[in-house]
Amino acid sequence: QITLKESGPTLVRPTQTLTLTCTFSGFSLSTSGVGVGWIRQPPGKALEWLALTYWDDERRYSPPLKSRLSITKDTSKNQVVLTMTNMDPEDTATYFCARYFVPLKNFEYWGQGTLVTVSS
Amino acid sequence: QSVLTQPPSVSGAPGQRVTISCIGSSSNIGTGYDVNWYQKLPGAAPKLLIYGNTNRRSGVPDRFSGSKSGASASLAITGLQAEDEGEYYCQSYDMGLSWVFGGGTNLTVV
Repeated sequence: QITLKESGPTLVRPTQTLTLTCTFSGFSLSTSGVGVGWIRQPPGKALEWLALTYWDDERRYSPPLKSRLSITKDTSKNQVVLTMTNMDPEDTATYFCARYFVPLKNFEYWGQGTLVTVSS
Repeated sequence: QSVLTQPPSVSGAPGQRVTISCIGSSSNIGTGYDVNWYQKLPGAAPKLLIYGNTNRRSGVPDRFSGSKSGASASLAITGLQAEDEGEYYCQSYDMGLSWVFGGGTNLTVV
C-alpha cells in the first residue's frame, strides 16, 4: 500500500523560509521511473505544481518559483523535503506531495495535504 | 491564469451527462502531451480519475471517461450522482512550464 504524508509548520511569518517534509511508504525513490512532487492549492484557487525530484536525483522546479524553491530526497528515510524561501501571505495554501510515475506520466498517489498559513 | 482553460463551473441533474473541457495550446496538449484528470473533494487529496487522455484508473467507475482532440481534452461523466459533486482538474505537461493544471471546474449536482 502506497501512502504519503506531509508535515511541517502550520504558521510561517512573512520573509521566513518554509520547510516541508513528505514521508512516504510502499515504494522506493531509488526505483527507476519514480518521482515525488509537490503541488499546492491556495484557498479557493487552483492546483499549482511546484517541484519534483526523480529517482536519479534530477530535480525540476516551477519556473516562476524556481529561485525560491529547493527539493531534496533522502532515500534511506523515504522522505522528500521542500524548502521555499521568502514566504509571502500569497503562499498561504494547502501543500500536497504526490508520487509521480514516469511510465504513466501521472500523479497517482497523493498525501492528505498540510495547510500552511503565512501571516505576521 | 492557468495555461489550461477549464469552465469555472458545470452542473447537471442526477442521472444526466456532463462534460468538462480543458483547452490548451501548442506548447502543451497540442504538441502531444497526455492529459490526466483529477477529482478534488473538499478537505481531501486530489484523486486521479483518468490518465493518458482516455485510461480510467483502476476502481474508477466507467461513468467517467476522457477524450482528447488537438489541443483540447474533455472529461465526461454519465449517470451523474450526488457523490460526484466537487472540483475537477485537468493536468498536462507544458514545454515551458513543466507540469501544469487547469483552473479547475466546480461540478454541482442539482
